[in-house]
Amino acid sequence: QVQLVESGGGVVQPGRSLTLSCAASGFTFSSYAMHWVRQAPGQGLEWVTVISSDGLKKYYADSVRGRFTISRDNTKNTLYLHMNSLKAQDTAFYYCARELISIVGTGFDYWGQGNLVTVSS
Amino acid sequence: DIVLTQSPGTLSLSPGERATLSCRASQSLSSTYLAWYQQKPGQSPRLLIYGASTRATGIPDRFSGSGSGTAFTLTISRLEPEDFAVYYCQQFGRSPRVFPFGPGTKVDIK
Repeated sequence: QVQLVESGGGVVQPGRSLTLSCAASGFTFSSYAMHWVRQAPGQGLEWVTVISSDGLKKYYADSVRGRFTISRDNTKNTLYLHMNSLKAQDTAFYYCARELISIVGTGFDYWGQGNLVTVSS
Repeated sequence: DIVLTQSPGTLSLSPGERATLSCRASQSLSSTYLAWYQQKPGQSPRLLIYGASTRATGIPDRFSGSGSGTAFTLTISRLEPEDFAVYYCQQFGRSPRVFPFGPGTKVDIK
């Protein structure tokens, strides 16, 4: 079955860096675009970034562009989110999500369990 | 960029009642690129509807989506106890490539 398992979260000081990982299994990882979505505690969902299936195309939300970098290793079936210059407002649960492939539309059909990143001194 | 607005913010209903949730876009968008999710406390979101009206795998038929242009609707025909949750709509932008969510509608027990 499809599984997405995030790791790498924790407490980090403002201005520091952190890298999240998302290990995928149960599907052909290299065929799917993958996303990161975050959710501050008690708040709504915020899309963060996407990477194409081959890793060549990447897009970012304005709130993280220039500070966060998405990458993937299709040989290891793993998605990454490298976060630099972290701010208190980056505190959130971070989810990786798979983008559905369909001719009638799209959505995020599988999500990880979420990984909490807390930016605090 | 297209901005999504959801209404109402909170919908208080009883089990068995019909729920109608609205998602409005600031500009017209293709229905292909509109999805709905359900999120319960402490859980990851779950895809309900994609392409504005296609139910995702395993989603009961009491959930339906409709709409086009700037106005989209998620309808739950008869609320079950497990349906009380927060619901988000999401746009899949083609240019620019952004994927914003609406602010959400909370459906709680009256």
